[in-house]
Amino acid sequence: NAGVTQTPKFQVLKTGQSMTLQCAQDMNHNSMYWYRQDPGMGLRLIYYSASEGTTDKGEVPNGYNVSRLNKREFSLRLESAAPSQTSVYFCASSVESNTEAFFGQGTRLTVV
Amino acid sequence: AQKITQTQPGMFVQEKEAVTLDCTYDTSDPSYGLFWYKQPSSGEMIFLIYQGSYDQQNATEGRYSLNFQKARKSANLVISASQLGDSAMYFCAMREARWSSASKIIFGSGTRLSIRP
Repeated sequence: NAGVTQTPKFQVLKTGQSMTLQCAQDMNHNSMYWYRQDPGMGLRLIYYSASEGTTDKGEVPNGYNVSRLNKREFSLRLESAAPSQTSVYFCASSVESNTEAFFGQGTRLTVV
Repeated sequence: AQKITQTQPGMFVQEKEAVTLDCTYDTSDPSYGLFWYKQPSSGEMIFLIYQGSYDQQNATEGRYSLNFQKARKSANLVISASQLGDSAMYFCAMREARWSSASKIIFGSGTRLSIRP
């Protein structure tokens, strides 16, 4: 079972570069989420999506854009990376009910 | 607004002892769910246990139980007979149940649990 797959697993960017983090789930879930986790801290919600074509801001959306391409895929884009965006990024998905979210393995992003 | 608070940044517990990790929450929605996740040093997020706001009984999953006190807005995780493999970060999370639209899941800052042999 693939579950939630994130690519890439590691990335180093220079300040000002752009990149897209990819996330795909094969569990037919409607809801998808992007979180960031800074060292020694909890997960903060960047954006989330209830369904294809809909996205909503989370706690820390500034500097990010998202696309819900279809039901399976939810991408996160950094248009102009900054050192403050150095973090581990997690994608997650869940059904529209009170069930747990399933997480990808994370993308470790360093901006120098 | 949703809020999750974990007031214990770190805890040390002797192996085989029980441990309680604190979590308090705030929401104006009468329908919500509470979750606990474990994050070992390898970094993956592992779901442990879930409690719904309308559930009459406290949730249990093996050695994990959730001490749900609705009036106090607390959802503490209890781990019985702790093991060395329980050493990890533990996160409390909450989801407001809005059935007609996306409901976001937010996390607390976490508690780092260390089990001493």
